[in-house]
Amino acid sequence: QPVVTQSPSASASLGSSVKLTCTLSSGHSSNIIAWHQQQPGKAPRYLMKLEGSGSYNKGSGVPDRFSGSSSGADRYLTISNLQSEDEADYYCETWDRNTRVFGGGTKLTVL
Amino acid sequence: EVQLLESGGGLVQPGGSLRLSCAASGFTFSTYAMNWVRQAPGKGLEWVSAISGDGRRTYYADSVKGRFTTSRDDSRNTLYLQMNSLRAEDTAVYYCARLSSAAATDDWGQGTLVTVSS
Repeated sequence: QPVVTQSPSASASLGSSVKLTCTLSSGHSSNIIAWHQQQPGKAPRYLMKLEGSGSYNKGSGVPDRFSGSSSGADRYLTISNLQSEDEADYYCETWDRNTRVFGGGTKLTVL
Repeated sequence: EVQLLESGGGLVQPGGSLRLSCAASGFTFSTYAMNWVRQAPGKGLEWVSAISGDGRRTYYADSVKGRFTTSRDDSRNTLYLQMNSLRAEDTAVYYCARLSSAAATDDWGQGTLVTVSS
């Protein structure tokens, strides 16, 4: 089954940009993933679906500041013009025929 | 607007049972596969189970296989999770979530807390 790996933490300054990474395990480098945001004390929120080609489709209401890209087994979430409300945990998700997995999440701190 | 509302959580003793429900609205429930995902206190997201749109196929994480059963009632627009032989490590917030046509989880409920403790 696939495994997805995320860095535990990241930080960036208010108004700057940050790029979060989700790495797919060997044999699953072409998998589609989804990115989710979880603000403190809230339920997760779907951000986007991201393909290996780099094509992405965002969920309803997701700001233009959020974008996705891909390179090999890596899937990226870029947040531009960071706002205080972007401080959250970010999870990537992937799946195969019979199972799905979430990465351990990246805790983003906005300085 | 898609709405997913979980209920049925609470405190249960180890070895006990609980049934969670998820009431769906704002979309054609019968045409979507659905997920259960849980989150232990202070931990990350863990996929629990999925069910196909027609209800014929169900899938489970190894950690719950043989103890949990997912079902759906399309006439009531409701998803269920029957949890038996509960253990302390099942303590978590349980989220109901919709799967898009591309198989991504694309909508989440607010969650219901299950606490397994004596």
